[in-house]
Amino acid sequence: NAGVTQTPKFQVLKTGQSMTLQCAQDMNHNSMYWYRQDPGMGLRLIYYSASEGTTDKGEVPNGYNVSRLNKREFSLRLESAAPSQTSVYFCASSEASFGTAFYGYTFGSGTRLTVV
Amino acid sequence: AQTVTQSQPEMSVQEAETVTLSCTYDTSENNYYLFWYKQPPSRQMILVIRQEAYKQQNATENRFSVNFQKAAKSFSLKISDSQLGDTAMYFCAFMAGNQFYFGTGTSLTVIP
Repeated sequence: NAGVTQTPKFQVLKTGQSMTLQCAQDMNHNSMYWYRQDPGMGLRLIYYSASEGTTDKGEVPNGYNVSRLNKREFSLRLESAAPSQTSVYFCASSEASFGTAFYGYTFGSGTRLTVV
Repeated sequence: AQTVTQSQPEMSVQEAETVTLSCTYDTSENNYYLFWYKQPPSRQMILVIRQEAYKQQNATENRFSVNFQKAAKSFSLKISDSQLGDTAMYFCAFMAGNQFYFGTGTSLTVIP
């Protein structure tokens, strides 16, 4: 089925460990995004990639890095995990930038990350 | 700055009844899109309905409809004939440029 695939679905890290969250979409979308979801705070944008080869910071980029490996894949890396990064992480993609027909984001199923 | 406010953290409704979730937003943009997303316990984010700001007609998708008041910057979601499967967190979202701005969500419980 077409969509956005995130791996892993669950992860527990120790403080200071590193890991990469993987995201891939098969809808030929140009734009991809990483969000984190925390209770009472909705979704906050970490990084986004408007097109292959470009990445930009969102609202809460500190402690994260991203790579737009190709049009399909957009990974999020935590270099040194901290308890404040305990959250649910969502990857999303969209077909086009503003100004064209826009049907919203397609979201992955999320990654629940716990940093102890 | 763009902001989205959902003032109702939790709501409940009897099965088969109608419920309205409120959302207000603040922007200086004239062209933008508005969305409602549903997040059931499965955690998957599901698009419920979208509205283009330049369209005056309110969007409708089956039992879901919106009341879009552009001058008041209000975008409420009405769910008719509520079903148990409607139990979820609902997020209002606003899009301008290439970014979304999400509200903090309203947790809706449908009571049998």
